[in-house]
Amino acid sequence: DTGVSQDPRHKITKRGQNVTFRCDPISEHNRLYWYRQTLGQGPEFLTYFQNEAQLEKSRLLSDRFSAERPKGSFSTLEIQRTEQGDSAMYLCASSLANSPLHFGNGTRLTVT
Amino acid sequence: DQQVKQNSPSLSVQEGRISILNCDYTNSMFDYFLWYKKYPAEGPTFLISISSIKDKNEDGRFTVFLNKSAKHLSLHIVPSQPGDSAVYFCAAILNNNDMRFGAGTRLTVKP
Repeated sequence: DTGVSQDPRHKITKRGQNVTFRCDPISEHNRLYWYRQTLGQGPEFLTYFQNEAQLEKSRLLSDRFSAERPKGSFSTLEIQRTEQGDSAMYLCASSLANSPLHFGNGTRLTVT
Repeated sequence: DQQVKQNSPSLSVQEGRISILNCDYTNSMFDYFLWYKKYPAEGPTFLISISSIKDKNEDGRFTVFLNKSAKHLSLHIVPSQPGDSAVYFCAAILNNNDMRFGAGTRLTVKP
């Protein structure tokens, strides 16, 4: 399977803890996106990389959130000092320029 | 700021009939529109798209219509099949990389 891979699939953490998610995009895709989806809503854009450069960040991405794509391949999304409002599905997607996004199956975060 | 709206949270259709999913948008600068389909426990998968310079795009049982003057697009599925039961998201792209999603419509196709 050469689709977008996300790890872990589920994460339960206590409020105040830090969590890190990983995304492995489709190998030839130079663009990588992070989205967040809450119940009853569509995916909301968080941030976007072209190769290793983070080109855009949503105002939804508070200073507790940081994303990296150090070698232009996999990416990590870290949330520091998690809050209950961070509970959501975190989706990663990748694409080539001017092509539709291919999404992974997401990481479901539950903050207790 | 909900720039892409899907006002029907759910739709139920009989197998073999047409499913029509609707989407409205507010930003006239969107230049590309897409429909994604999502099954439970999976990420959204790309279904069909349309450029803002076109008014119709067809792919098998799926047709997307775009009415720019009304800022409205729709997805027609005909004939509908039980396997089409999923949540359908409308999405619009601004400036080649800013994609906004609607809240989704849950389609149920009854046998």
